[in-house]
Amino acid sequence: KAGVTQTPRYLIKTRGQQVTLSCSPISGHRSVSWYQQTPGQGLQFLFEYFSETQRNKGNFPGRFSGRQFSNSRSEMNVSTLELGDSALYLCASRRSGGFTDTQYFGPGTRLTVL
Amino acid sequence: GQNIDQPTEMTATEGAIVQINCTYQTSGFNGLFWYQQHAGEAPTFLSYNVLDGLEEKGRFSSFLSRSKGYSYLLLKELQMKDSASYLCAVGPDSGAGSYQLTFGKGTKLSVIP
Repeated sequence: KAGVTQTPRYLIKTRGQQVTLSCSPISGHRSVSWYQQTPGQGLQFLFEYFSETQRNKGNFPGRFSGRQFSNSRSEMNVSTLELGDSALYLCASRRSGGFTDTQYFGPGTRLTVL
Repeated sequence: GQNIDQPTEMTATEGAIVQINCTYQTSGFNGLFWYQQHAGEAPTFLSYNVLDGLEEKGRFSSFLSRSKGYSYLLLKELQMKDSASYLCAVGPDSGAGSYQLTFGKGTKLSVIP
């Protein structure tokens, strides 16, 4: 069974640009969550999507947005990039519902903002 | 809000036992997770505790005390491949099955020969 996949794996952008990252969850998983990981702040929750609806959102500015498609694939978008947005962006999927559902992470997209 | 503390770094010898502690303060609690993350790789799930006590899974065990806001991950018979960051995470019940984990900053474990 294929794992969570993320594209692209590496990305270099300049300040002010926007970027779109893609995540394909494990087949049959309907929940997709996004996290930002930096050395200083660790892993921080961005948002979660389930059945094309955003169910929960972390404490990030409105420049960070996302969406989920009917096939459960998800994208996140960051507009007006800032240097501080340089990070590893991780996507994680789980089957659905219950809190005990294990969350599986993708390999991440390493974003560098110059 | 959530606050999670774990040691930044630890070093242990191959074959030994190491305990990685995690303390948390949270306004809501639904369970505590441990993840392992090797450098440059994605976090992988290790364990989940919702009730007080010890959960054992092979060489790894995880303990939870809800009244004390405390957990630890115990790694036995350490191997070089156990060198990784270990992340403690807690999650509140956000309702409607929503799922938000708050992670600690991780403990970087180095296993030396």
